[in-house]
Amino acid sequence: DAVLTQSPALAVSPGERVSISCRASEGVNSYVHWYQQKAGQQPKLLIYKTSNLASGVPARFSGSGSGTDFTLTIDPVEADDTATYFCQQTWNDPRTFGGGTKLELK
Amino acid sequence: EVKLVESGGGLLKPGSSLKLSCVASGFTFSNYWMHWVRQAPGKGLEWIGEIDYDGTETNFAPSLKDRFTISRDNAKNTLYLQMSSVRADDTATYFCTPSAPTAKAAISWFVYWGQGTLVTVSS
Repeated sequence: DAVLTQSPALAVSPGERVSISCRASEGVNSYVHWYQQKAGQQPKLLIYKTSNLASGVPARFSGSGSGTDFTLTIDPVEADDTATYFCQQTWNDPRTFGGGTKLELK
Repeated sequence: EVKLVESGGGLLKPGSSLKLSCVASGFTFSNYWMHWVRQAPGKGLEWIGEIDYDGTETNFAPSLKDRFTISRDNAKNTLYLQMSSVRADDTATYFCTPSAPTAKAAISWFVYWGQGTLVTVSS
């Protein structure tokens, strides 16, 4: 299985820029997607295929990367962005998710 | 508006069976591959498996394929997950989600999610 590794947690101040990384154990082409999950809610798609913004998602969110290293950037961070962020790859079977990065606001 | 409503969760004992349902609305259910994803309390997301348009093909995460079955009833716009020989580590919230409208099913991301149904396995 393709393992996706994310940092467990980050803390930033509102107005700052934050980058959340996702490293894959094998090539995933560009099929990395990012989800935001707030406490008690279902996941919400933010970015699909590395860098495509999902419908209704603010332009403060962006994605980049290639090969095995991918990044979700939020700039500027707002208080409402407090959540856990998951990356997912759908290039290799089975499709897998990263362990999640919990973003906290200072 | 796309809506997905999972149900059937609850408390069950190790070794027992349970069938979850997911009723879909707001899109043409029979045109989409459907997936189940689960999340243990405080943990990450785990893809369980998928089913094709008419239920003739299913694929599973290797660790789950021997105990879980996915089926669908397109006339009822309903997706099912049959769980058998459940264990404590099956305790999770179970979500259903369709393949994205603009993606090939094999590599699709997930746009729409239900609220999930909680399954707790405990003696």
